[in-house]
This record gives sequence, C-alpha cells and structure tokens, in this order.
Amino acid sequence: DGGITQSPKYLFRKEGQNVTLSCEQNLNHDAMYWYRQDPGQGLRLIYYSQIVNDFQKGDIAEGYSVSREKKESFPLTVTSAQKNPTAFYLCASSIARTNTEAFFGQGTRLTVV
Amino acid sequence: AQSVTQPDIHITVSEGASLELRCNYSYGATPYLFWYVQSPGQGLQLLLKYFSGDTLVQGIKGFEAEFKRSQSSFNLRKPSVHWSDAAEYFCAVDTNAGKSTFGDGTTLTVKP
Repeated sequence: DGGITQSPKYLFRKEGQNVTLSCEQNLNHDAMYWYRQDPGQGLRLIYYSQIVNDFQKGDIAEGYSVSREKKESFPLTVTSAQKNPTAFYLCASSIARTNTEAFFGQGTRLTVV
Repeated sequence: AQSVTQPDIHITVSEGASLELRCNYSYGATPYLFWYVQSPGQGLQLLLKYFSGDTLVQGIKGFEAEFKRSQSSFNLRKPSVHWSDAAEYFCAVDTNAGKSTFGDGTTLTVKP
C-alpha cells in the first residue's frame, strides 16, 4: 500500500533535548512538507522540500531543522531552540509543481515536559 | 500572499440535516482550492478539489463544493449529514507549486 508513515505516533521528551520525527513515503512524490498543528489553529508550514537535497523554510521554521537526503524520507528535528515544541506534527507529500493535493501521514504528537 | 478564512469555528447539525461549511480565500487569480477532513488524532484526507472548469465539484463521502469567483468563496455542502461526518474540516488554497495555505478549520458536531 502506498502512503506516508510517520513515527512514532506519540513522543515525549524533556525540555532542552533535541528530538527527530520520522516521515517516510512510498508514493514516489517529489515534494514533502512538515506542518505544525495547535488546538484551534490551522496547519502552519514549517519546512518543505520539492527535490532531494533541497528544502525551504516555511512560515514557522525557527527552532526546527530538516534534511532531504533521499526522495522517500524527510525527517524533522525539533531543537531546544524551539520555545513551544509541544504540538501535533503532520508530514505530507505531493507531486511537485503541478498544484495537486497533499497526502498526509497520521501525525506525531510531541509532548515536551 | 494568499489567505483562507473559515468563519465558523464550530457548527452543530442534526443527523440527516443539510450542511454548509464556509470558506473564503484571498488571491488575485484563480487559485487551486481544496477541502480536507481530519478525524481526532489523525492526518488529513482530501474530500475534493477545484482546479478549473465546472464550478461545482463532487467529492468523496457525498460532499460537494461550489467555487464562486465573485464572492471568493468555496463552500462545502452535504445534503444529509451522517454521524460519521463529525470531524474537523479544513479549506486550503494553493497558488504556488503545491504549497498550500490552510484555514483554521471548522469543527462539525452531529446531534443524533
């Protein structure tokens, strides 16, 4: 089955620690995205990548980092510089440059204590 | 920059009643428009999309949406709501190579 897999579903970390969220897709999509979702708010774009070895900052990139070494993988690192890291994180992918819909993973809920 | 407004934060309808969720967008040209649905703790699933052509588009689960350029709107409708439709609904606009801007969402509650 083709799709996007995010892992883990729940993640707990102590304040001051970096943490990496995994996102893998087997849809052969060029573009991948990371969104943050907070209660009562829509999705806010953190980073996106439209091709391997290239990525761009979204609207709220501060305190986050990404890499795109393989087409199917786009991990997100939440660093200790992120002031409010507790949130629901969603990874998505789409066929790049054709303005098509995004396919979403099931999300990772990160709680920093 | 494009923006999306969903004026209704929360809507409650009775099962079997009709539904309309509002979405207004801001963009100078014809955008690409989407409606997504999200169940609690899950990712988003595409309901329908509008790129061009017929302004009334049909989607999955019996949903439809109408693009009205004069009103900059893309409202989602369903003639008869089922209890399983309770979820959060997001309207999105895309004007730049697959990078979408999402509204804040509308939570739908269905009364028995």
